[in-house]
Amino acid sequence: NSKVIQTPRYLVKGQGQKAKMRCIPEKGHPVVFWYQQNKNNEFKFLINFQNQEVLQQIDMTEKRFSAECPSNSPCSLEIQSSEAGDSALYLCASSLAGADTEVFFGKGTRLTVV
Amino acid sequence: GQQVQQSPASLVLQEGENAELQCNFSTSLNSMQWFYQRPGGSLVSLFYNPSGTKHSGRLTSTTVIKERRSSLHISSSQTTDSGTYLCALERYAQGLTFGLGTRVSVFP
Repeated sequence: NSKVIQTPRYLVKGQGQKAKMRCIPEKGHPVVFWYQQNKNNEFKFLINFQNQEVLQQIDMTEKRFSAECPSNSPCSLEIQSSEAGDSALYLCASSLAGADTEVFFGKGTRLTVV
Repeated sequence: GQQVQQSPASLVLQEGENAELQCNFSTSLNSMQWFYQRPGGSLVSLFYNPSGTKHSGRLTSTTVIKERRSSLHISSSQTTDSGTYLCALERYAQGLTFGLGTRVSVFP
């Protein structure tokens, strides 16, 4: 069973508001991923970290999101100014470092932007 | 186009029936995973399966890397198997690329 913990489970924000969600990766996992799953079941990779460093992120994340994985604190993903199209399930995952490693997911934060 | 293609898109089963879910990749891969997504959204890892065949209870996964395909077999389906089954390919430092899933509904 996955030990990746995401909070909150549900988040409702108005357009233009900030939306922040948190993730505690599985103990001993230095790599953390954030994905967005939309209502059409499509997954979009947003960003990943190894320890505190960003490995890769997409353009949207760079421009509109703020993300970090500080040492000894939960990782976080924050949308600076929520838009209706940001309504989705945000999934955090963690893994060991290196190639060919199994990835474990949290239960997700479901964001609704009204 | 879609790098990970899953079929069928949906499947309706009567309890006790078997099912075979397919996943095809259009690109090379380091490894792949099968996930089960509950109606509430949480993802559970079923198999981490770089190649070959693996078993877990009533589930069997077979991956043939050089043919870029993987299958998930559900035997003696139960109503609790209802949900979405997702396969994802992994490439180093690029995260997972998911298919659109197979939605399975099992009725008593």
